[in-house]
Amino acid sequence: DTGVSQNPRHKITKRGQNVTFRCDPISEHNRLYWYRQTLGQGPEFLTYFQNEAQLEKSRLLSDRFSAERPKGSFSTLEIQRTEQGDSAMYLCASSYGAGWTQETQYFGPGTRLLVL
Amino acid sequence: AQKITQTQPGMFVQEKEAVTLDCTYDTSDPSYGLFWYKQPSSGEMIFLIYQGSYDQQNATEGRYSLNFQKARKSANLVISASQLGDSAMYFCAMRGGGSGGGADGLTFGKGTHLIIQP
Repeated sequence: DTGVSQNPRHKITKRGQNVTFRCDPISEHNRLYWYRQTLGQGPEFLTYFQNEAQLEKSRLLSDRFSAERPKGSFSTLEIQRTEQGDSAMYLCASSYGAGWTQETQYFGPGTRLLVL
Repeated sequence: AQKITQTQPGMFVQEKEAVTLDCTYDTSDPSYGLFWYKQPSSGEMIFLIYQGSYDQQNATEGRYSLNFQKARKSANLVISASQLGDSAMYFCAMRGGGSGGGADGLTFGKGTHLIIQP
């Protein structure tokens, strides 16, 4: 299977702890996106990378969130000092292109985070 | 700002019937793309179909077709001959310029929960 993969699939943590999620995109894709999805809502855009450069961040991405994509391959999303409001599904997607409207983003299975 | 509205929180449909899922959108950008994704209970978003704002014909992909009415700003998904495996959440999404979700991030609606009954 050469789709987008995410690890871990589930994470339970206590409030105040730091967590890190990993996303491995489809190998030839140069763009990688992070989204957050809360219960009963559609995914909300957080940030994206073109190769190793982080080109855009949503205002939803507070300073407790940081994302990296070293060498333009896999990406990590870290949440510091987690809060109960961070409980959500974190989705990663990848695409190949240069910003065209028809670029299709392919999603991974997501990481479900529960903050106790 | 970009906005996607899906007005049907849930739908029950008999197996083998056709179903239409509604989606209206709002954007000030003349160039944009509209996407439909399916999300089963497992959580993964599965791409179904794409329609570009300048496309002259409605998009089709197997049993999926998109009823694109640009003047009304609607992009309804039509599933023909529904199957039990079609039961899932369905999300309409848009990509284009403008604010809200970022120029390159997708803006999603709240989704429609489709249940196919035998």
